[in-house]
Amino acid sequence: DAKTTQPTSMDCAEGRAANLPCNHSTISGNEYVYWYRQIHSQGPQYIIHGLKNNETNEMASLIITEDRKSSTLILPHATLRDTAVYYCIVMAMDSNYQLIWGAGTKLIIKP
Amino acid sequence: EPEVTQTPSHQVTQMGQEVILRCVPISNHLYFYWYRQILGQKVEFLVSFYNNEISEKSEIFDDQFSVERPDGSNFTLKIRSTKLEDSAMYFCASTKRRTAYSYEQYFGPGTRLTVT
Repeated sequence: DAKTTQPTSMDCAEGRAANLPCNHSTISGNEYVYWYRQIHSQGPQYIIHGLKNNETNEMASLIITEDRKSSTLILPHATLRDTAVYYCIVMAMDSNYQLIWGAGTKLIIKP
Repeated sequence: EPEVTQTPSHQVTQMGQEVILRCVPISNHLYFYWYRQILGQKVEFLVSFYNNEISEKSEIFDDQFSVERPDGSNFTLKIRSTKLEDSAMYFCASTKRRTAYSYEQYFGPGTRLTVT
């Protein structure tokens, strides 16, 4: 089973920041947080990942709490094309590298 | 930008028939994966492949499934005798390296398999 908890769905207005929370209260010290998304019927797409520091790339920012028990993915200026299911996945450095997918958060961007 | 490609985009087959799903991973990637997603359900890991052998496989990946890298570019998933419950979207993915701090998987667009 996935080791993360995410809301089932969220709405966000186009042009606004979309903030997607993820709870990973049982995360251990060597586990990274990865975010992927899946636009309808397409293959999943990597977004960003982090260990304990906040991370930013051209797609999004990742904010990880100091205790690492939760994180937030931020899409700074959401567009209609960001409508997708967003998955938060934790992975350990000594894992067998299987991505364990939960149900994710269905993010709907509204005009 | 390099991408993973998959063919065909949609495959319809009759129960009991063999199917081969094809993938061309990104050229300098070394690790290859197959996932499946039954309509409306979660993405499920099937198998990972490295250095011409299976690295890990899930319980789903039974004797009916096999994978192969027949040449330097293609990576295939074969289902020997398809069942109705094999109907799903099958995704191929690849990564350049395999460390937890750098493990971005790149996915193909998928092949929709319909077993009738």
